[in-house]
Amino acid sequence: QKEVEQNSGPLSVPEGAIASLNCTYSDRGSQSFFWYRQYSGKSPELIMFIYSNGDKEDGRFTAQLNKASQYVSLLIRDSQPSDSATYLCAALNRDDKIIFGKGTRLHILP
Amino acid sequence: DTGVSQNPRHKITKRGQNVTFRCDPISEHNRLYWYRQTLGQGPEFLTYFQNEAQLEKSRLLSDRFSAERPKGSFSTLEIQRTEQGDSAMYLCASSLGPGENTGELFFGEGSRLTVL
Repeated sequence: QKEVEQNSGPLSVPEGAIASLNCTYSDRGSQSFFWYRQYSGKSPELIMFIYSNGDKEDGRFTAQLNKASQYVSLLIRDSQPSDSATYLCAALNRDDKIIFGKGTRLHILP
Repeated sequence: DTGVSQNPRHKITKRGQNVTFRCDPISEHNRLYWYRQTLGQGPEFLTYFQNEAQLEKSRLLSDRFSAERPKGSFSTLEIQRTEQGDSAMYLCASSLGPGENTGELFFGEGSRLTVL
């Protein structure tokens, strides 16, 4: 079992709709979680991080964390074509390393 | 400071040759990570440093791979006797750390390796 798992997609969402991206992790010692966006041919860039159970909102983005279920999600409201990218979930595990999932490709349909 | 810098951006080499990549992190960042990424996959952890100390090297990494961070500034990743399976994008990232912001990684543009 990989430490951080994501559905690779592609996930297709109409423009203006809500995109929901999910991630699970296996290391219960992980305390911090991160969502990175990676455009094709580019390096990942951090868009959200969350440490506490519950929701964290930043503009059109909401990160959700449920430590009991070992589940992290990212919601993107009012999806735009520029949101089309691969979204990488990452966890800071008990060994203090940042471990990435394989990413979910998101395609926003104009 | 303009961010994390990696050199070279592209490297084409023949199987069996040695290659070295360099990473210059953001100057005040203590943590430096090396990842490898292939098409359709997320970044795969290779190794990381806290200042000049190498904290861990991935168990998946063969002895052909070595990394250094002398004086806790820039880092080098060397691959000896390259194999075709080493072809990938090698990403360097840095962060303030340890602490809460350890995971807020700033990535360089990567060094793409092609082994013929």
